Amino acid sequence: TQLLEQSPQFLSIQEGENLTVYCNSSSVFSSLQWYRQEPGEGPVLLVTVVTGGEVKKLKRLTFQFGDARKDSSLHITAAQPGDTGLYLCAGRQTGANNLFFGTGTRLTVIP
Amino acid sequence: NAGVTQTPKFQVLKTGQSMTLQCAQDMNHNSMYWYRQDPGMGLRLIYYSASEGTTDKGEVPNGYNVSRLNKREFSLRLESAAPSQTSVYFCASSARQGSNYEQYFGPGTRLTVT
Repeated sequence: TQLLEQSPQFLSIQEGENLTVYCNSSSVFSSLQWYRQEPGEGPVLLVTVVTGGEVKKLKRLTFQFGDARKDSSLHITAAQPGDTGLYLCAGRQTGANNLFFGTGTRLTVIP
Repeated sequence: NAGVTQTPKFQVLKTGQSMTLQCAQDMNHNSMYWYRQDPGMGLRLIYYSASEGTTDKGEVPNGYNVSRLNKREFSLRLESAAPSQTSVYFCASSARQGSNYEQYFGPGTRLTVT
């Protein structure tokens, strides 16, 4: 069983549309990170959220950490083809020095 | 500043063969990690090294061994490769920035075991 479940698993949208990706768990995390991975490359860190209810914005991307620190969402406004990739959430539990990764959401933005 | 480097980039093995995947980082990070990535499974932790001289098992350690050679280098060894070990392997490193352990990944090694 996966500690972090992401939904949807696949998402294909037209350029200019908005979308939201979800990362859910029954466990509490001290921090949660989002990564983007492009084909043939390793994941690249986008953001870290650490406080329940925290919202962070990175240009057209908005990240939110749930109040109970068990879930997170990523919202993309006006998606562009350059947003295409695999989005991974990763959580760190208190006292741990490793991360648990979600199952990933593969996003395709069609021009 | 190369970040995290991995060798080789591609490898094909026959069942039962052995090989070592190499990883090095030049960011002076304390912690290093080995993951495997399979379709629909996300990233699964094989082994990690919180600091030089220590290694710990992750979620899927069976069939693998690791060596933290020094602060820069962390290798992953497959003693007797099996088709179930066909995967993409990523090495990552992290500093203890606050308490968040943000990770920096290498480009991956694509391994096929026939």
